[in-house]
Amino acid sequence: NAGVTQTPKFQVLKTGQSMTLQCAQDMNHNSMYWYRQDPGMGLRLIYYSASEGTTDKGEVPNGYNVSRLNKREFSLRLESAAPSQTSVYFCASSVGLNRLYNSPLHFGNGTRLTVT
Amino acid sequence: ILNVEQSPQSLHVQEGDSTNFTCSFPSSNFYALHWYRWETAKSPEALFVMTLNGDEKKKGRISATLNTKEGYSYLYIKGSQPEDSATYLCAFRGSQGNLIFGKGTKLSVKP
Repeated sequence: NAGVTQTPKFQVLKTGQSMTLQCAQDMNHNSMYWYRQDPGMGLRLIYYSASEGTTDKGEVPNGYNVSRLNKREFSLRLESAAPSQTSVYFCASSVGLNRLYNSPLHFGNGTRLTVT
Repeated sequence: ILNVEQSPQSLHVQEGDSTNFTCSFPSSNFYALHWYRWETAKSPEALFVMTLNGDEKKKGRISATLNTKEGYSYLYIKGSQPEDSATYLCAFRGSQGNLIFGKGTKLSVKP
């Protein structure tokens, strides 16, 4: 039982390059999330998917797009990377968002992205 | 803008000391309060999810209390051990539905 799996673990991009961060969960969770972690800041929500087929913006969505490919997979795309997107990115999942507010998040191991 | 504040920012204690941290959050439109433990080079792991005013939860030497009317939660660690060294995050879920995280309290326990 792998939980939440993120790839890659590390990535270096040049300004303007694009890339997709992959996330998959095997817990049959309905809701999935993408967060970023920056020094001195709390985890900030980029995008989330309350259930398969839906996606919504979080606190800091600019410069990102997401795809909920199926119930298991939720990818985050940077179309034109900028140095301000240098961060550690975490994918997470939970049983549900709308009905089960007592459902904790399960996090992946993170992707450390550097944009030069 | 919803604000979740944690204090202190960092804490250094000796092995065997008991300690506690605070999480402050909006007292209106409360749905849940989460606590996570985040060890260096790992991902955050859920400790507690608390939903009712007056809730007290316990896991081993770690416990938490919740006061939704005044908007705070305490996390207590009894008899700290070096393996308790981590950053402890709290997160507030209100009617907007998403979790708003605090910046965390970094605990270092010296042997």
